[in-house]
Amino acid sequence: GIQVEQSPPDLILQEGANSTLRCNFSDSVNNLQWFHQNPWGQLINLFYIPSGTKQNGRLSATTVATERYSLLYISSSQTPDSGVYFCASEARSGGGADGLTFGKGTHLIIQP
Amino acid sequence: DAGVTQSPTHLIKTRGQHVTLRCSPISGHKSVSWYQQVLGQGPQFIFQYYEKEERGRGNFPDRFSARQFPNYSSELNVNALLLGDSALYLCASSLAFGLAASLQETQYFGPGTRLLVL
Repeated sequence: GIQVEQSPPDLILQEGANSTLRCNFSDSVNNLQWFHQNPWGQLINLFYIPSGTKQNGRLSATTVATERYSLLYISSSQTPDSGVYFCASEARSGGGADGLTFGKGTHLIIQP
Repeated sequence: DAGVTQSPTHLIKTRGQHVTLRCSPISGHKSVSWYQQVLGQGPQFIFQYYEKEERGRGNFPDRFSARQFPNYSSELNVNALLLGDSALYLCASSLAFGLAASLQETQYFGPGTRLLVL
């Protein structure tokens, strides 16, 4: 199945800083999503982005499908941005039957 | 609009028992998937159902089973519980299934059921 690797595993920043989270995937994808998991375990959708660039407020994401990576940018970080960020993808070869494969996540801590 | 709902929120069982977890998808969504997340790891895919048929299965033993009902809600059943089954069980729904790079396949997750096996 598809392999998904995220970096860095841990990131500690001061409020107001910017950050870039990376996701590498091993195969062509039909689906690539970024999630933020809050301390209660809820996975919150950030972006559906198998290719291209999207922006939503202080967050933006870019997926370069031909080079098999995606980046999540967080600008002007705030303490509620803390938590674990997951990248998840589904290989095109699976025809939709393999579900999402998640990376191990990036644990982000924003200090006031 | 209500999001994906799951019940119960928490559950404590003992080894060897059976458990049933329930999920209601977002209204209009026809696909439901189940994931298991153990502490410190990303979620792992267990099952996907679409139009009441199993469309995909992850690498889990036969003790795990699921079904989808005519109203598109779903149940996950786990028999003969082991200590290692302790985890957060997540349900996700999407509009469609099997499309290529379609926004309709965006998966939306519920709050999860925390299962503790003693």
